[in-house]
Amino acid sequence: DVKVTQSSRYLVKRTGEKVFLECVQDMDHENMFWYRQDPGLGLRLIYFSYDVKMKEKGDIPEGYSVSREKKERFSLILESASTNQTSMYLCASSPLIIPLGNQPQHFGDGTRLSIL
Amino acid sequence: QQPVQSPQAVILREGEDAVINCSSSKALYSVHWYRQKHGEAPVFLMILLKGGEQKGHDKISASFNEKKQQSSLYLTASQLSYSGTYFCGTEPFKAAGNKLTFGGGTRVLVKP
Repeated sequence: DVKVTQSSRYLVKRTGEKVFLECVQDMDHENMFWYRQDPGLGLRLIYFSYDVKMKEKGDIPEGYSVSREKKERFSLILESASTNQTSMYLCASSPLIIPLGNQPQHFGDGTRLSIL
Repeated sequence: QQPVQSPQAVILREGEDAVINCSSSKALYSVHWYRQKHGEAPVFLMILLKGGEQKGHDKISASFNEKKQQSSLYLTASQLSYSGTYFCGTEPFKAAGNKLTFGGGTRVLVKP
């Protein structure tokens, strides 16, 4: 079974802090994703990566950055945390199969982040 | 563009049926369906690729209309284990990276 592990289930930080959320997958997947989940808004894509050191902006990248130095690890960075970034953050991965697309995404359990 | 899911919530008795819709203003390449139980990760249910396609997974099935702008998820003879939030995720075109845009979700509660 694919395992996507997020480093923390719950995290509390202060406004203005630099926050790191870590995600590791064990299935050698090329694609990795960061979403935030808010009630009624579903899952919104922040950033995704389809290869090491590659990244692309999703629908709501403002205030976030990412890092992918190794294939199995994808980090989300809140440069200067603000209260409106309080949310549930989900990481996901999927394989790159030729032809492109059509592969299920496998999700981690999420990190509930509170910014005070 | 985010797909529109309806209804936002539904309450069922065990054994009853329900339909969840996922609509887009433009033709899609594919639709994915996921279910998320409270406090858990979303779990993949199925992918639909072709116009007119229908797929089943236990007593949960889905269809993709001919124009590929709407998908429906059918919960048949619902069980308590079907409770959770259902999301559709759409691919607008065949894109690198398998990027999905998710709908707002439909909360399903199945009561005894």
